[in-house]
Amino acid sequence: DTGVSQDPRHKITKRGQNVTFRCDPISEHNRLYWYRQTLGQGPEFLTYFQNEAQLEKSRLLSDRFSAERPKGSFSTLEIQRTEQGDSAMYLCASSSRQELRDTQYFGPGTRLTVL
Amino acid sequence: SQELEQSPQSLIVQEGKNLTINCTSSKTLYGLYWYKQKYGEGLIFLMMLQKGGEEKSHEKITAKLDEKKQQSSLHITASQPSHAGIYLCGADLTGANSKLTFGKGITLSVRP
Repeated sequence: DTGVSQDPRHKITKRGQNVTFRCDPISEHNRLYWYRQTLGQGPEFLTYFQNEAQLEKSRLLSDRFSAERPKGSFSTLEIQRTEQGDSAMYLCASSSRQELRDTQYFGPGTRLTVL
Repeated sequence: SQELEQSPQSLIVQEGKNLTINCTSSKTLYGLYWYKQKYGEGLIFLMMLQKGGEEKSHEKITAKLDEKKQQSSLHITASQPSHAGIYLCGADLTGANSKLTFGKGITLSVRP
């Protein structure tokens, strides 16, 4: 049984560079979510997909951020012109329906450090 | 201000002791989820509650959702070092059955 996987697990980059993260959801899950978590805080919602359609984006997702889910399978999150404030753990989750509600299962996260 | 408040902020207990942590919202909790997180890792799903007055148990952990669906508690019986970690509550606060809003988490340490 494979869970949600994320790649890379760690990324160190210099300010101004672009970075891209990948998330592979649990195979039968049609919903995929991206969250961001900073130290001492809970995860904050960024965006989510149902199949290949991006259904909601948080105001936290500035125009430097873009997410895609081609063919409704894996997803990528790209950050352009990174800033030090982008340093955080980026978490991906996918969901299945349990008792009429979606339950989200999280991946191990990608920790981004912007120098 | 936080939409979901968790208390206490942190907790240190002696192995074998019982403990309770709380998650409170000013809005209706359409779905309330408890997760556990080890530092620097992803979230592990524990339990989901959705009906007022609902209670669920798994091994030594029991979660309850109050009748008004604005507060949840997580109780651990006979704590063990393996229970140590960060406990996060997440909730659907809109009824849309999609994004979750999380509290800041409670750090639990269990002394052998």
